[in-house]
Amino acid sequence: NAGVTQTPKFRILKIGQSMTLQCTQDMNHNYMYWYRQDPGMGLKLIYYSVGAGITDKGEVPNGYNVSRSTTEDFPLRLELAAPSQTSVYFCASTSGTNSPLHFGNGTRLTVT
Amino acid sequence: DAKTTQPTSMDCAEGRAANLPCNHSTISGNEYVYWYRQIHSQGPQYIIHGLKNNETNEMASLIITEDRKSSTLILPHATLRDTAVYYCIVRVGFSGSARQLTFGSGTQLTVLP
Repeated sequence: NAGVTQTPKFRILKIGQSMTLQCTQDMNHNYMYWYRQDPGMGLKLIYYSVGAGITDKGEVPNGYNVSRSTTEDFPLRLELAAPSQTSVYFCASTSGTNSPLHFGNGTRLTVT
Repeated sequence: DAKTTQPTSMDCAEGRAANLPCNHSTISGNEYVYWYRQIHSQGPQYIIHGLKNNETNEMASLIITEDRKSSTLILPHATLRDTAVYYCIVRVGFSGSARQLTFGSGTQLTVLP
């Protein structure tokens, strides 16, 4: 199994540009999460989804949007990139109660 | 979800047991304790979890106190590859705000040769 796959691995954006970070999982998990991690810091929850068509805000949702049209995919959209969004972004999924999170390998984003 | 408190950093000699504490004094009766670790800037990796009883797997042991207000992750024979940030989180099922799975800052474990 591929698990949780994130693309791209690296990206450099100019201020004001937009992009979509892709996340897909092949484990048929209902619950999916987007985290960001700034250098030397812990993970902060951006958005999460409990199933197709259902999304909700986490701790730091401003500047981001998500959608969940299928169980497998949970893309994260940055509309107007800002330097404060320079970070490493992790996607994760789980099947639910009493099950661990499975993380992707991250997308390293730099906004200049 | 209950808040957790972990030391910022710890050192351990290679080959010795690494004991990483976590305080979760406000844990509820139905909240599980989970441990993850993050090596360099890779995605966090699941280690172990438990509810009340002590747990052991091929990676580590988890000791939960009888009052469930704290726990200890034990790496029995630490190696240099165990150098990582270790996160302790507590969570209940997936209703309401418990759907938000939040991480603290974790403990930086450095295994010394």
